[in-house]
Amino acid sequence: NAGVTQTPKFRVLKTGQSMTLLCAQDMNHEYMYWYRQDPGMGLRLIHYSVGEGTTAKGEVPDGYNVSRLKKQNFLLGLESAAPSQTSVYFCASSPGRNTDTQYFGPGTRLTVL
Amino acid sequence: GNSVTQMEGPVTLSEEAFLTINCTYTATGYPSLFWYVQYPGEGLQLLLKATKADDKGSNKGFEATYRKETTSFHLEKGSVQVSDSAVYFCALYPGGTSYGKLTFGQGTILTVHP
Repeated sequence: NAGVTQTPKFRVLKTGQSMTLLCAQDMNHEYMYWYRQDPGMGLRLIHYSVGEGTTAKGEVPDGYNVSRLKKQNFLLGLESAAPSQTSVYFCASSPGRNTDTQYFGPGTRLTVL
Repeated sequence: GNSVTQMEGPVTLSEEAFLTINCTYTATGYPSLFWYVQYPGEGLQLLLKATKADDKGSNKGFEATYRKETTSFHLEKGSVQVSDSAVYFCALYPGGTSYGKLTFGQGTILTVHP
């Protein structure tokens, strides 16, 4: 049981390049989340999903897109990376309705030059 | 809206010292409250939680009591160890139709020296 895994662990992009971050969970959780972590700002929610095929915007969605084609996977895309998107990205999952505990992946450190 | 405010860090302590990290919140209704911990190079892990007023969450020697009258959930430990060095996040879950979404504080860096 691997829990929540994220790919890749590190990435460096040039401004304007695109990339996709992959999050996978093997706990059969319904809900999944993408956060970014910046110094002094805690974690801010980018997008989330409450089930396969559904996604919704969080607190800071601009510049990102997401997809949840399979229940176990939640993809975060950057179509045209900007230096302001340099951050550490965390994926999390939770079992679903009436559950409040989230399980986090190890993070992806992204640098945009 | 909902918000969580943590004491500013970083906090530096000697081993066996007493730890307090303050956390206050703003929310409507009756939120659940959490402390998550992030060890260097890792993701966040749930440390403890409390789901109603006057509940005390505890784990690994850490404690926090849900105080509705002061809207606080301060984290305490009587004797810290070097292995407690980490970033600590206070968070709240408002419940209802929030789809599990958490609101986090800004995090407090704790460094414990031998």
